[in-house]
Amino acid sequence: DTGVSQNPRHKITKRGQNVTFRCDPISEHNRLYWYRQTLGQGPEFLTYFQNEAQLEKSRLLSDRFSAERPKGSFSTLEIQRTEQGDSAMYLCASSLVAGADNEQFFGPGTRLTVL
Amino acid sequence: QKEVEQNSGPLSVPEGAIASLNCTYSDRGSQSFFWYRQYSGKSPELIMSIYSNGDKEDGRFTAQLNKASQYVSLLIRDSQPSDSATYLCAVIVAGGSYIPTFGRGTSLIVHP
Repeated sequence: DTGVSQNPRHKITKRGQNVTFRCDPISEHNRLYWYRQTLGQGPEFLTYFQNEAQLEKSRLLSDRFSAERPKGSFSTLEIQRTEQGDSAMYLCASSLVAGADNEQFFGPGTRLTVL
Repeated sequence: QKEVEQNSGPLSVPEGAIASLNCTYSDRGSQSFFWYRQYSGKSPELIMSIYSNGDKEDGRFTAQLNKASQYVSLLIRDSQPSDSATYLCAVIVAGGSYIPTFGRGTSLIVHP
């Protein structure tokens, strides 16, 4: 399967703990995106990378969130000092092109529950 | 402020009927439009993209775009129970970083 993969698929943590998620994009895709989705809402943009460069971060991305894509391949999203409001599905997507025909392909997501 | 509006539903249609899902957007600079299907507990799956006014057909799916009226719709012909899902509309505005803005989705229920 050469689609987008994400690990772990589920994460339960206690408030105040740090968590890290991983995303492996489709191999030839140079753009990688992170989104957050809560129940009844569409995906909300968090940040994106073009190759290893992080080009844009949403105002939703507080200082407790950090993302990396060190070699332009896989990416990690870390949340420090988790809060109950961080509970959501974290989605990763990748795309081949950077223009208007930016068709994104999503991974299965990581569901985070903060107790 | 980019806004993409969808009726959250649920839209309930009988098996075999045509399901019509609508999406309106606020930014007249919008140039690319996408429909994603999302089953409960799963991630979004791209089903259609449309860039020009008019209709685009792919199997049982037809996307319709009217830029003057700022809406895009998705028609599903011969609806099947397996089409029951949430359908997300996403819009890209020209001249920026080409990050799509998603609507909240419309829940579709196809009953036998």
